[in-house]
Amino acid sequence: GESVGLHLPTLSVQEGDNSIINCAYSNSASDYFIWYKQESGKGPQFIIDIRSNMDKRQGQRVTVLLNKTVKHLSLQIAATQPGDSAVYFCAEISLDKLIFGTGTRLQVFP
Amino acid sequence: KAGVTQTPRYLIKTRGQQVTLSCSPISGHRSVSWYQQTPGQGLQFLFEYFSETQRNKGNFPGRFSGRQFSNSRSEMNVSTLELGDSALYLCASSLVSLGLTTWREKLFFGSGTQLSVL
Repeated sequence: GESVGLHLPTLSVQEGDNSIINCAYSNSASDYFIWYKQESGKGPQFIIDIRSNMDKRQGQRVTVLLNKTVKHLSLQIAATQPGDSAVYFCAEISLDKLIFGTGTRLQVFP
Repeated sequence: KAGVTQTPRYLIKTRGQQVTLSCSPISGHRSVSWYQQTPGQGLQFLFEYFSETQRNKGNFPGRFSGRQFSNSRSEMNVSTLELGDSALYLCASSLVSLGLTTWREKLFFGSGTQLSVL
């Protein structure tokens, strides 16, 4: 099955550059946020999470930043690789439900 | 260990029919949640089952229903199919329910069932 495709915003980056993917979340009461990666024909895959009592969390090559004042999340990918090409979703836990953002397609070119 | 398994992978139905989708979670996981993914609406939460009980439900009509068995396998049923039900249906499993405030378990998604309604 294909991931959401037709009308997604697209970020194109050159291999080796850093990527920044942004997401606005909806509920100021949400206290847990997750970034997912979805490759074509696959389900979403967990990348990194962050709680609302933090403003930054780092993983391997990825960093998530949380700005609660403006309800904004960002995912930074260092040294972007061709294998990073996918659709990226943010998600928030609100009222025991997962609410996903619309997604951003990341294209990595050589 | 085996991941989340969804069957069938592809399904074609006609309007008015009903369909049942299956999801087998990772062994030991007791929570199964279902999602609909479409180009227009993105990923939307349908419902979650934990220990055979529906824990939470999204904003979908009653034509969408589900159940969970004692072995944690879950089925989702859509009755009286409409053209707009064409979508990728994903399920995800986790050890604990989404409702726990200390929830930090990662959700593990299956590859989905692509449903086409003609």
